[in-house]
Amino acid sequence: AQRVTQPEKLLSVFKGAPVELKCNYSYSGSPELFWYVQYSRQRLQLLLRHISRESIKGFTADLNKGETSFHLKKPFAQEEDSAMYYCALEYGNKLVFGAGTILRVKS
Amino acid sequence: SAVISQKPSRDICQRGTSLTIQCQVDSQVTMMFWYRQQPGQSLTLIATANQGSEATYESGFVIDKFPISRPNLTFSTLTVSNMSPEDSSIYLCSVEDWAGDLRRKGYTFGSGTRLTVV
Repeated sequence: AQRVTQPEKLLSVFKGAPVELKCNYSYSGSPELFWYVQYSRQRLQLLLRHISRESIKGFTADLNKGETSFHLKKPFAQEEDSAMYYCALEYGNKLVFGAGTILRVKS
Repeated sequence: SAVISQKPSRDICQRGTSLTIQCQVDSQVTMMFWYRQQPGQSLTLIATANQGSEATYESGFVIDKFPISRPNLTFSTLTVSNMSPEDSSIYLCSVEDWAGDLRRKGYTFGSGTRLTVV
């Protein structure tokens, strides 16, 4: 069955420190993976997708099929990065979400 | 990307009653999706709504409890029927958004409806 695991409910870092939000997936096919972000009092929005290999707001994520991972990284965290982050797997036009990780960036 | 208007944004309802949530998109879309986010939980897909056909429900969700309408390519409704406190959740609609370019593919979400059943 398709599954997305985000092992950390909360990740707290200091401003300027590196950030890595972990995401592992379980899927027998070729995965399409996304990171979504929800800032306080805002709607869920797409942060980045693996297929475009882009960097958004300094965040990157590399698909590692051997480790079935799609970790989200940023070299220097900023206070405005504080939000809830969801990893999601697409299959057959459906999205399966991980449980989410709250990122808190402290000054 | 598509812009979604969802309403109501929140409601407090009596158990046993029903609530209909509306989702309006500013462009024509083939598929619309309805999700539920229970307190402290992640998002779970309820059903996929295609225009002109019956909605497709995920395991654990049934049409009698969550009837869906899709009268045209820009609008859908989800009804939460015969509500109980366990139905207290955030309900969100979503559309696929990619303009034919796989590199730009994603899903856009409405702002959600926070439902409390008392």
